[in-house]
Parts: sequence; C-alpha cells; structure tokens
Amino acid sequence: DAGVIQSPRHEVTEMGQEVTLRCKPISGHNSLFWYRQTMMRGLELLIYFNNNVPIDDSGMPEDRFSAKMPNASFSTLKIQPSEPRDSAVYFCASSIRTGVTEAFFGQGTRLTVV
Amino acid sequence: AQSVTQLGSHVSVSEGALVLLRCNYSSSVPPYLFWYVQYPNQGLQLLLKYTTGATLVKGINGFEAEFKKSETSFHLTKPSAHMSDAAEYFCAVSEDSNYQLIWGAGTKLIIKP
Repeated sequence: DAGVIQSPRHEVTEMGQEVTLRCKPISGHNSLFWYRQTMMRGLELLIYFNNNVPIDDSGMPEDRFSAKMPNASFSTLKIQPSEPRDSAVYFCASSIRTGVTEAFFGQGTRLTVV
Repeated sequence: AQSVTQLGSHVSVSEGALVLLRCNYSSSVPPYLFWYVQYPNQGLQLLLKYTTGATLVKGINGFEAEFKKSETSFHLTKPSAHMSDAAEYFCAVSEDSNYQLIWGAGTKLIIKP
C-alpha cells in the first residue's frame, strides 16, 4: 500500500488566493483526519470524517476553511481566501474505525501564504 | 476531559545514553495510549501503542513504553540513543468510546555526539 497520499507537498500562494489541498487515504480506511501543525500551536485537529461524513469540524479555524470528502478515496481542504497566518504544514491521516487503531499520516503539505 | 502532558519541549542526551521522554495523561476511563515520531519534513509515524494486556510495550527502533495506571503515565524509553533518533516525539491518548486522538505538545529529542 502506498500509504496516505497528499498533494501538493509544497504550496506557495499570495494572500487572498484560494488554496486546495488534496488527500487520498489508505484503501479500506473509513476515518479521515485533517491536521494543521505550526510552531506556535503544535498539532491541531481541524476536522474528521467517518464514512465520508464530517463528524467534528470544531477545529476548523473560521469560515474561510472548508473540507469535503466526496468519496472514500478522496478528500480536499480548501482555504478561501488565504491569509499569511494560514502558513503551516497540513497533514491528512486515515484510520480504520473498528476498535482502536492508529492513524496513518501523509507526508504533509507545507503551505506558505505571502 | 482527556489531556496529555509531555514534560520538556526539548530533551538532549548523548549518543549511547538512556532516552527518557515523559508523558502523563488524564482520562476518565482506561485509555489507549500511543507514541508517534516525526522526523524532519516528514509525517508522523507510529512508534508503539498500548491498548490492553501487558503494560510494557515494545515498539520500533528499540523504543519501549510502560503504562502505569497509578501514575497515569506512559513514558517512552530507549536504552541507548542513536544519532538517527533525533526527531520530535508525540504522545497521544484515546478513550474507547471516542477514538479521536488527543495529542501532547511534542518533545524534540536532540542527540549529542
């Protein structure tokens, strides 16, 4: 298995532009998580899905952020409009929601908003 | 409410010395406990986990951790540090009824030659 695949690995964009981050979870996993990691705040859970349905989006910082999971093999995190304070590494992770199993992380997308 | 406390944002040890990274948690039910490692510019990778059974858990790369219920701790150890162990380590907890992970702030492990 190729693991969790995120794209792009790096994104540099100008303030005000729309940014879309993509994630392909591990096949057969039915839970998907989006995290944001910064030096100041550490690792923050933004949103998680179970069976493609958003269960908890309380970590989404504001309405500029939105996430979708149209099917079991694809999810997007969109920021519109982007701001410099959105600069961070964004991770996607997936897991099997049967019992307690570990989350498998992608390599992350390093977003820089200038 | 669950919480995880990692003592020390940075820990420095000499190569060959014992590694000890501390993790304490609060949970209203018996928890599931995890240690993850993050190498520079990489995602997080599971080192080891405790769910039930033996309280001493062995993981990858020679790491192990012991679940001590009375101390609400899950400290990570390795007998002899190697330069390749330099990374950031995260402790996380999950309760049976809620599989969502609660994360510690992380500890950066620095290995001195």
